[in-house]
Amino acid sequence: AQSVSQHNHHVILSEAASLELGCNYSYGGTVNLFWYVQYPGQHLQLLLKYFSGDPLVKGIKGFEAEFIKSKFSFNLRKPSVQWSDTAEYFCAVTTSGGSNYKLTFGKGTLLTVNP
Amino acid sequence: EPEVTQTPSHQVTQMGQEVILRCVPISNHLYFYWYRQILGQKVEFLVSFYNNEISEKSEIFDDQFSVERPDGSNFTLKIRSTKLEDSAMYFCASSEEGGGQPQHFGDGTRLSIL
Repeated sequence: AQSVSQHNHHVILSEAASLELGCNYSYGGTVNLFWYVQYPGQHLQLLLKYFSGDPLVKGIKGFEAEFIKSKFSFNLRKPSVQWSDTAEYFCAVTTSGGSNYKLTFGKGTLLTVNP
Repeated sequence: EPEVTQTPSHQVTQMGQEVILRCVPISNHLYFYWYRQILGQKVEFLVSFYNNEISEKSEIFDDQFSVERPDGSNFTLKIRSTKLEDSAMYFCASSEEGGGQPQHFGDGTRLSIL
């Protein structure tokens, strides 16, 4: 069964700092990778996704993530964070093939951006 | 943008009672899901539903749980006899297709079992 690890439980940054949130997964086959964000009081929203092709994917609000297959990683980055990026960020994976459409989530990383 | 809607936003129930959590998925979506998040823990998959039947369920989804799509719009999760450990946020999600297509989530229902 697949699993997802997010290394940072809580990250605190100042505005304009660069962000990198780590995500590693364990699964031997083909995966689809996602980052979701949950702003305070809101539902989970898709930031970006990777299915195939260019391993560097760009999402909404200036976020990007890089899939490194050899490292089983899908880290989320943003060059300059804003106060409005304060939220919880979840890495998730589904596996290709069969009927396994479920999302397996990491524990989430709470990002606090101080103005 | 179309949204997944869930009701109620908060449900408080006595242990042993039945609860029904309701969801209205996005109208042209075909795949439906329930997840839950116990406070401080990961979001966990419960069940997926396609073509009017369960396509996959987790070990959490035991005989106390059931899902139904009673009409063309609603998707419900029923817990027959609630336990204290069922207290959690329950999220409904839907997607146009399966196989890794993005799932769109509702705001969740906070279930509190007393």
